[in-house]
Amino acid sequence: AQSVTQLGSHVSVSEGALVLLRCNYSSSVPPYLFWYVQYPNQGLQLLLKYTTGATLVKGINGFEAEFKKSETSFHLTKPSAHMSDAAEYFCAVSESDSWGKLQFGAGTQVVVTP
Amino acid sequence: EAQVTQNPRYLITVTGKKLTVTCSQNMNHEYMSWYRQDPGLGLRQIYYSMNVEVTDKGDVPEGYKVSRKEKRNFPLILESPSPNQTSLYFCASSLSGSTIGEQFFGPGTRLTVL
Repeated sequence: AQSVTQLGSHVSVSEGALVLLRCNYSSSVPPYLFWYVQYPNQGLQLLLKYTTGATLVKGINGFEAEFKKSETSFHLTKPSAHMSDAAEYFCAVSESDSWGKLQFGAGTQVVVTP
Repeated sequence: EAQVTQNPRYLITVTGKKLTVTCSQNMNHEYMSWYRQDPGLGLRQIYYSMNVEVTDKGDVPEGYKVSRKEKRNFPLILESPSPNQTSLYFCASSLSGSTIGEQFFGPGTRLTVL
């Protein structure tokens, strides 16, 4: 069975600074990994995904994440934070042998300060 | 416009009074799922459906029922709601179970059970 751990429930970052959100997973089979963003009072929106192939994946709004199998990690980064990045971010994992199940992390709230 | 709709968006009810939250998608998606979101716990999967008449339990199915009689609709039924079911509920759909990470989310239903 898979699980996801997001380190840090709240992150504060200055505008223009690096955004780094940490996600570690456990999975008994090769995982599929995802990052979602949730803006206030909205549903979730897919930021980026890793299924197979290149381990560095780029998503929308300048975000990217790197799959590191040896570290069982899938950290999300953005070089320069913008005020519009203030939102809650969720890491999620599914396993290729259990179609249908998606496990989410607890989420990280990002606050961007001027 | 491609979308997932949920009704109602807000609901306040009392313990034991049966209720149904409807979910409908217009994208001809095979896969649909229900999640509940609680602070500090992220999203937890309640039930999912790989196709018409095919449903399965997620991580927190107790106290909920679902049905999938038509491809576009996936209602969530609470036969006897209790206060611990107070939560924010999301319906989501994707093309198939193998594209689960690329789900479209509905706007959410905020349920309060008194």
